[in-house]
Amino acid sequence: EVHLVESGGGLVKPGGSLKLSCAASGFTFSSYSMNWVRQAPGKGLEWVSSISRTSTYIYYADSMKGRFTISRDNAKNSLYLQMNSLRPEDTAVYYCARAGDGWYGDFWGQGTLVTVSS
Amino acid sequence: EIVLTQSPDFQSVTPKEKVTITCRASQSIGNGLHWYQQKPDQSPKVLIKFASQSFSGVPSRFSGSGSGTDFTLTINSLEAEDAATYYCHQSSTFPQTFGQGTKVEIK
Repeated sequence: EVHLVESGGGLVKPGGSLKLSCAASGFTFSSYSMNWVRQAPGKGLEWVSSISRTSTYIYYADSMKGRFTISRDNAKNSLYLQMNSLRPEDTAVYYCARAGDGWYGDFWGQGTLVTVSS
Repeated sequence: EIVLTQSPDFQSVTPKEKVTITCRASQSIGNGLHWYQQKPDQSPKVLIKFASQSFSGVPSRFSGSGSGTDFTLTINSLEAEDAATYYCHQSSTFPQTFGQGTKVEIK
């Protein structure tokens, strides 16, 4: 059974940093691209970033470029999102999602909440 | 960036009724359009991939159609458990984008 567990969320001050992790199990992690998607409280889904199986291809939403860094460690079956220069508008639940063919999210984690507030 | 516009934003429906949600893309995306269901306090679940392909394990009352710029999610014979917010998503071109969501309430 595919299992994705996000961690690392919490309360951080504006301008601060946070690193999210996503632990994968139940499938061959190195065979799949991965996505991060976020959802602000009471709002819709927003794509954040994607990374290919061997990290060859990496993509970011414009509002996160230069501030967020996606990475993965296939030996540890883990996906990461380093978030720097955080802003109040980055407050959201962050989901990791396994990418099926063509990047759609076929399985999602339960999410981790990031709150950016002074 | 490709903008996805869903309609309606909200729909209140009686059980066993048919529900139709549309998603219009600001430019052609071929069949790179997917549909998700999100229930309160849960993570999204994929229903339809590539416009019309049902995802494994999804009830047959959910179906999708369309290509290019106009897409439709249909729920035949709505059940109480279908109360949720539905999102379309395009992965044809980066940045990936989502529609704003359609909330379906059961009367």
